[in-house]
Amino acid sequence: KAGVTQTPRYLIKTRGQQVTLSCSPISGHRSVSWYQQTPGQGLQFLFEYFSETQRNKGNFPGRFSGRQFSNSRSEMNVSTLELGDSALYLCASSLAGAGTGAMDTQYFGPGTRLTVL
Amino acid sequence: EDKVVQSPLSLVVHEGDTVTLNCSYEVTNFRSLLWYKQEKKAPTFLFMLTSSGIEKKSGRLSSILDKKELFSILNITATQTGDSAVYLCAVNSGNTPLVFGKGTRLSVIA
Repeated sequence: KAGVTQTPRYLIKTRGQQVTLSCSPISGHRSVSWYQQTPGQGLQFLFEYFSETQRNKGNFPGRFSGRQFSNSRSEMNVSTLELGDSALYLCASSLAGAGTGAMDTQYFGPGTRLTVL
Repeated sequence: EDKVVQSPLSLVVHEGDTVTLNCSYEVTNFRSLLWYKQEKKAPTFLFMLTSSGIEKKSGRLSSILDKKELFSILNITATQTGDSAVYLCAVNSGNTPLVFGKGTRLSVIA
């Protein structure tokens, strides 16, 4: 079974630009979660989508947004990029995810390394 | 607020040593605790623990959960340089996203 895939793997942008990252979950998984990972803060939860609906949201500004399509693929968008947005963005998929009470295991993609200059 | 704390933050050992990594948690509605290994990019799943006192084992790695004292340990015996990684602990409290600790960076030197 193919794992979680993320594109692109690397991205360099300048301040003020916007960026869209893509995540394809494991086949059959309906929940997709996004995380930002930086050396100082560790893994921080951005949001979770399930059946095209945002079910949970972390404590990030409105510049960070996402969506999920009917095939469970998800995208996240960051507008008006700031230097502090430089990070590894990880996507994880699971069968049902949080909110269902399920004891799900999340499987991570390889991440997108975003550098903002 | 749900919280997961891992210790130590970093550890350097020699090949062949045995290491114990710690994870303590405070969550309102515990469902499961997960361990991940992160080398260069994606965290890879190691174990999911739901019941106290039952050891999960995979090769040289093992883990156990204590739900009364709210902690878990991850043991690695006969460490190898390939075990060098960041080990992440996360807790699933059912209706909220996984809460991750900051990780323990393990360096195994030959």
